[in-house]
Amino acid sequence: NAGVTQTPKFRVLKTGQSMTLLCAQDMNHEYMYWYRQDPGMGLRLIHYSVGEGTTAKGEVPDGYNVSRLKKQNFLLGLESAAPSQTSVYFCASRRGTVSYEQYFGPGTRLTVT
Amino acid sequence: EDKVVQSPLSLVVHEGDTVTLNCSYEVTNFRSLLWYKQEKKAPTFLFMLTSSGIEKKSGRLSSILDKKELFSILNITATQTGDSAVYLCAVEATSGTYKYIFGTGTRLKVLA
Repeated sequence: NAGVTQTPKFRVLKTGQSMTLLCAQDMNHEYMYWYRQDPGMGLRLIHYSVGEGTTAKGEVPDGYNVSRLKKQNFLLGLESAAPSQTSVYFCASRRGTVSYEQYFGPGTRLTVT
Repeated sequence: EDKVVQSPLSLVVHEGDTVTLNCSYEVTNFRSLLWYKQEKKAPTFLFMLTSSGIEKKSGRLSSILDKKELFSILNITATQTGDSAVYLCAVEATSGTYKYIFGTGTRLKVLA
């Protein structure tokens, strides 16, 4: 099992450009999450999904969109990147309500210039 | 507003010292509290606590939850340089969302 994988690992964007971050998990988990981590801010939840075809907003959803068309994939989109979106992005998955642990991907470091 | 506060923000100790990291929380309908260790990359799971007073142990690490006073502590005894990391606390509330609120973390540096 690969666990949780993220693509790409690094990316540099110019302000106004768009991109999609891909998260994939092979553990048949129901729940998936996108976080961003900034220095001194801990992990902040952007969006999450409790099942295929469902998504919900987290703490800091503005400027991002997500889709969960397949159970194993959770996509995070930036339509018009801004320097404030420079961050490390982590995806996580969780089996369901009976399980507490989240499994994290390796992260994507995004810089917006 | 739900929140999780960790203290101290950072800590520098020498090998062999014992450290105590703190996590206090205010959430509606608490369900669980998790501790993670984060080195260079993704957080890795350490403990999950749901009940007060039951100490979880894993080698030199242990953790306990106090649901009355709304806090948890993570103890590390006989620290080693490999314990240097950011330790994150996350709390889940059963508000129908099953999402976690993370603290900002405690950065621990262990000197040889």
